[in-house]
Formats: sequence, structure tokens, C-alpha cells
Amino acid sequence: ETGVTQSPTHLIKTRGQQVTLRCSSQSGHNTVSWYQQALGQGPQFIFQYYREEENGRGNFPPRFSGLQFPNYSSELNVNALELDDSALYLCASSPGPTIQYFGAGTRLSVL
Amino acid sequence: GIQVEQSPPDLILQEGANSTLRCNFSDSVNNLQWFHQNPWGQLINLFYIPSGTKQNGRLSATTVATERYSLLYISSSQTTDSGVYFCAVFSGSARQLTFGSGTQLTVLP
Repeated sequence: ETGVTQSPTHLIKTRGQQVTLRCSSQSGHNTVSWYQQALGQGPQFIFQYYREEENGRGNFPPRFSGLQFPNYSSELNVNALELDDSALYLCASSPGPTIQYFGAGTRLSVL
Repeated sequence: GIQVEQSPPDLILQEGANSTLRCNFSDSVNNLQWFHQNPWGQLINLFYIPSGTKQNGRLSATTVATERYSLLYISSSQTTDSGVYFCAVFSGSARQLTFGSGTQLTVLP
């Protein structure tokens, strides 16, 4: 049990729709990162938030956006969904730029 | 960016056997973590080990930072050890963990 919770656990959307995924960080952790894991691959970094500011971004288009709230919970928003966005989305929280703790993920299917 | 390679990609063992999983990385690292991903997708922290050796029950890990590799040892494997094992690193000023492609471990009863 990492103390990082994600919702929803599963989600089905159609191409072109928008989706919001949520993450509640472990208590005391001010940094949250989001990763996308396609089937059969390792997780790929999307972006990181530190004290409500984006603090780093991977190779993902602008239609992937995020927010971090004062209580350090976070949202990942994806606009104009594409079939290739079908994946497991993982949130990780950390007390600093070191060890990261992951939630159980949200499995998104885009039809 | 840094490259992370894991071997072997797949490993099948009988219960009770020992195994060694390897992680090679292409640059110096500030952080290295080993994870076990269970069938439901949860990434479980096994070790935070940028250098040195650590042990936790039947699992142990060694990172030789100067030679840019890490090893995960699983002794007396059990069926519950099945799943995908990932190595992930932080390097330089990067904000993210860079993951290897994983080792799929199957332990047969």
C-alpha cells in the first residue's frame, strides 16, 4: 500500500472525447508525476508537477495537460482522444527528486 | 537521454529456483529503483538502490554504479513472484524515471 490512490480504475471513451484522471498523493509528498504505459512496454514519463507548477515534461503533445492542487492531489487531462491513447496511466508521488511511489493506475480504453 | 536495458526479457522458472535479473544503463544515475508490477498493474517498490547492496527477505539487489549495471536476485522463487520486473533510473537533471522494458517472470508450481 503506497498511499497513492487513482480514480477511476477503468474507463472507456470514444475517439475525439476528452478524459480526466485523478490522483491523490501520499501525505507529505509535494511532487507528482504521471506516466503512460502501453501494453507490453515500460512506463513513459508524461509530466511532473511540483508545488502546483509543471516541473518537467516528456515527449507528449499539448493535448495532454495537468493540474496540481494545493493539497497536492493532481489531474491528468487528455483532449481529442486517439486510439493510441489506450494505455495504463500511472501516477507517482514523491517527497522530492528521489524515490517515487506509484498508484494502481487507471486503465483507459479508447474505441 | 539515458538508455536502460533489461535482460532477459522473459524468464520461466520452477518454484524453488533462484534467478538473476540484470539492468544496464548508459550514463551515471542519481537514483535506481526496482519494481514488481503485479497482474493488476500496480508497481510495487522493491528497492531504492543507486549504489551498493540491499536485501529484503528472499530478494536482494546490487548496483555497481561505476560499471553502470544493477542486478536483482530472487531466491527460492514462489508462484506469487510472477509478474513483470522493472528497473528505472533518474539521471542528471532529469525529472523523470526512465524505465527499462522489463523482465516477464513466470514461476511454475
